[in-house]
Amino acid sequence: AQSVTQLGSHVSVSEGALVLLRCNYSSSVPPYLFWYVQYPNQGLQLLLKYTTGATLVKGINGFEAEFKKSETSFHLTKPSAHMSDAAEYFCAVSAAGGYQKVTFGTGTKLQVIP
Amino acid sequence: GAGVSQSPRYKVAKRGQDVALRCDPISGHVSLFWYQQALGQGPEFLTYFQNEAQLDKSGLPSDRFFAERPEGSVSTLKIQRTQQEDSAVYLCASSFTGGEGYTFGSGTRLTVV
Repeated sequence: AQSVTQLGSHVSVSEGALVLLRCNYSSSVPPYLFWYVQYPNQGLQLLLKYTTGATLVKGINGFEAEFKKSETSFHLTKPSAHMSDAAEYFCAVSAAGGYQKVTFGTGTKLQVIP
Repeated sequence: GAGVSQSPRYKVAKRGQDVALRCDPISGHVSLFWYQQALGQGPEFLTYFQNEAQLDKSGLPSDRFFAERPEGSVSTLKIQRTQQEDSAVYLCASSFTGGEGYTFGSGTRLTVV
């Protein structure tokens, strides 16, 4: 079974500051890891994913995340926050390979202060 | 189509009423998933289809919930005798492989009054 813990249900950053959203996962088998973003009244949009290979993954809108197996973490970062980054972010995990159910965290709402 | 389309976007149902929620996945996507997202929560898995076969329905909360995808494309999630606790956003997602990221629809917000 897989599970995800997102630390901090709300995070506030100033425009131009570093964005760091924390995610720790639990998985008894090699995981696939995902970050999704959700804007109000919209569905989820895939930001980036880790499956195999390079542990530093780059996604859309300048976001990146690093898979750290020893720390069971997959934190999301962006060097400089924009106002348009304000949204809810979900970390998710599945077992590697083929069809596997994806389990989501409870989300982190990012506020960007001008 | 260009994206995953869900209808209706909003549905208000009286308690005890039956509802049907529709999902049009991306053309050619064989995997289709339904998730339930309660207010302030992350999406919770309901069920999964590969083409027309329902391979996993372990997340359906009760036998009042039923999903089908008879021709391997459009899917319908049906909820019978709706209860207040069924109020949530129901998200549909599709994928080629199922394990490498899904494309989500905008969801159907169901409110049971």
